[in-house]
Amino acid sequence: GAVVSQHPSWVICKSGTSVKIECRSLDFQATTMFWYRQFPKQSLMLMATSNEGSKATYEQGVEKDKFLINHASLTLSTLTVTSAHPEDSSFYICSASAVSGVFDTQYFGPGTRLTVL
Amino acid sequence: AQTVTQSQPEMSVQEAETVTLSCTYDTSESDYYLFWYKQPPSRQMILVIRQEAYKQQNATENRFSVNFQKAAKSFSLKISDSQLGDAAMYFCAYRSAGSGGSNYKLTFGKGTLLTVNP
Repeated sequence: GAVVSQHPSWVICKSGTSVKIECRSLDFQATTMFWYRQFPKQSLMLMATSNEGSKATYEQGVEKDKFLINHASLTLSTLTVTSAHPEDSSFYICSASAVSGVFDTQYFGPGTRLTVL
Repeated sequence: AQTVTQSQPEMSVQEAETVTLSCTYDTSESDYYLFWYKQPPSRQMILVIRQEAYKQQNATENRFSVNFQKAAKSFSLKISDSQLGDAAMYFCAYRSAGSGGSNYKLTFGKGTLLTVNP
């Protein structure tokens, strides 16, 4: 099956610093990747849709200047949390769409736990 | 906008028994896809089963099957012969049938936490 990796799996940073999270599709090319945020015992909240070679589409209420998304290749998308604050602490999950025939399926990365002190 | 509702925050089942998780959705679209994802304690999202709305036949994957009622906008998941490894949070999700970019995005329900008792 299609595999999506995320790096790092967890990160602790000081308030005011920036953190970059990488999302890679390991055995397929993904023209579209997605970034989600998940709080404890809650559902996944879509933050943005990332398309290779173009600007990301952010969901309403998500600060695009704070959560910078770059989709530089068909196998890599990055999320940079700029000037992180404790309220940005969360579990961040990426997914990538793999097309098989006429259907596409989203495959999820294992997630990154961000803790901002 | 589409919405997905899971009315059961928690469910429990005895090992080897059958359990059904409920999901309803609201949409004005005629063609779409529905999914059940499983999130175990590791928090890795795993696709359990998917259903194309244009198909009348209910999808089945081994011990997992769905009851898709398009007119009622209902999409329940039945787990047969429950195993300890089935314990997880289960999310129902909706996706438009259009192609490209944001059409691929998933709308998730709030989830149902399934406990399997030995």
